[in-house]
Amino acid sequence: NAGVTQTPKFRVLKTGQSMTLLCAQDMNHEYMYWYRQDPGMGLRLIHYSVGEGTTAKGEVPDGYNVSRLKKQNFLLGLESAAPSQTSVYFCASSYSLTGRSYEQYFGPGTRLTVT
Amino acid sequence: EDQVTQSPEALRLQEGESSSLNCSYTVSGLRGLFWYRQDPGKGPEFLFTLYSAGEEKEKERLKATLTKKESFLHITAPKPEDSATYLCAVPPGDSGYALNFGKGTSLLVTP
Repeated sequence: NAGVTQTPKFRVLKTGQSMTLLCAQDMNHEYMYWYRQDPGMGLRLIHYSVGEGTTAKGEVPDGYNVSRLKKQNFLLGLESAAPSQTSVYFCASSYSLTGRSYEQYFGPGTRLTVT
Repeated sequence: EDQVTQSPEALRLQEGESSSLNCSYTVSGLRGLFWYRQDPGKGPEFLFTLYSAGEEKEKERLKATLTKKESFLHITAPKPEDSATYLCAVPPGDSGYALNFGKGTSLLVTP
């Protein structure tokens, strides 16, 4: 099993450009999440999904959109990148069972720089 | 407001020198406390879940304990491969799906 994979691993964007980050999991997990991790700020939830076709906002959703068209994939989009979106982005997934949903499996991350 | 505070921010140990990391939390209605390990350039890796005060979990040289206000991650006779950032997290007091993560303790174990 590959677990949770993310593409790309690194990306540099110019302000105003758009991009999509792809997350895939092969563990048949119901729940999927997108976090960003910044120095001194810790991990913060951007958006999450509790099932195919459903998404919801997390703590810091502004400037991002997501889609979950297939159970195994969760896409994070930046429509018009800003320097404040320079960060490391992590995707995670988990079971939907009560208590187990917080045992999250993380991908390796995408390091994004916006200039 | 739900809060998770970890201390110290950084810790340097010699190989074999045991110590503890602290995670203090404030949340109404604890629904579990979670410890993760993060290696440089990688995503966090789940370690333990603790649900009630007095509970303990062990994995190799790590033992996690929980009280009503804080959790400790005890590292016994650490090795250099234990070097990593250790994160603790709690679910919010409401029924939300997010985990509130602490900022982590960066542990360096030198030979």
